[in-house]
Amino acid sequence: DIQMTQSPSSLSASVGDRVTITCQASQDITNYVNWYQQKPGKAPKLLISGASNLEAGVPSRFSGSGSGTDFTLTISSLQPEDIATYYCQQYDNLPPMYTFGQGTKLEIK
Amino acid sequence: EMQLVQSGAEVKKPGESLKISCKGSGYSFTSYWVAWVRQMPGKGLEWMGIIYPGDSDTTYSPSFQGQVTISADKSISTAYLQWSSLKASDTAMYYCARPITIFGADAFDIWGQGTMVTVSS
Repeated sequence: DIQMTQSPSSLSASVGDRVTITCQASQDITNYVNWYQQKPGKAPKLLISGASNLEAGVPSRFSGSGSGTDFTLTISSLQPEDIATYYCQQYDNLPPMYTFGQGTKLEIK
Repeated sequence: EMQLVQSGAEVKKPGESLKISCKGSGYSFTSYWVAWVRQMPGKGLEWMGIIYPGDSDTTYSPSFQGQVTISADKSISTAYLQWSSLKASDTAMYYCARPITIFGADAFDIWGQGTMVTVSS
């Protein structure tokens, strides 16, 4: 099974800061990584698919990069509404298996 | 609007059975898989399994195989997650979600609002 190691587990930053969250796969997964945002008390929301493709309606301050085993979610200028927990996720199709990272809880300093 | 709407919160006792539901609308329910995802209190997301409502083809995560049953009734565009004998450790929020293939891999693009299941004596 492919494991996804996400770091850090929590992060405190100031409004306007550049924030980076990383996810490392236990083996090469090409660009098959998606990123989600989960605000308190809400369902997760898909932000980025295929490592770097921003979903419609997601602010352009969010971006994703990486390939192979190392992936990054970046918020270029942190806003108060970005307070949430962020998860990476990968998909393996033989057999079907969806794996999430452990999550990164983002707080305002 | 494409959406998944889940049944309401449940409070059960250990040993009781339970079936929660997830109703799709705004898209062809029988043409897409439906997944179930568990989130224990204060913890992360865990994929439990998926079902294709068109033919009820089902795959379980090894961690949940034998612990739950996933089913669907395509005539009413509804997927189900059920337990035959609940344990306190089943206390969690349960989400249904639609996986779609984007850029070669599956991502969950639509999520239900979640069903909180509390198991306590």
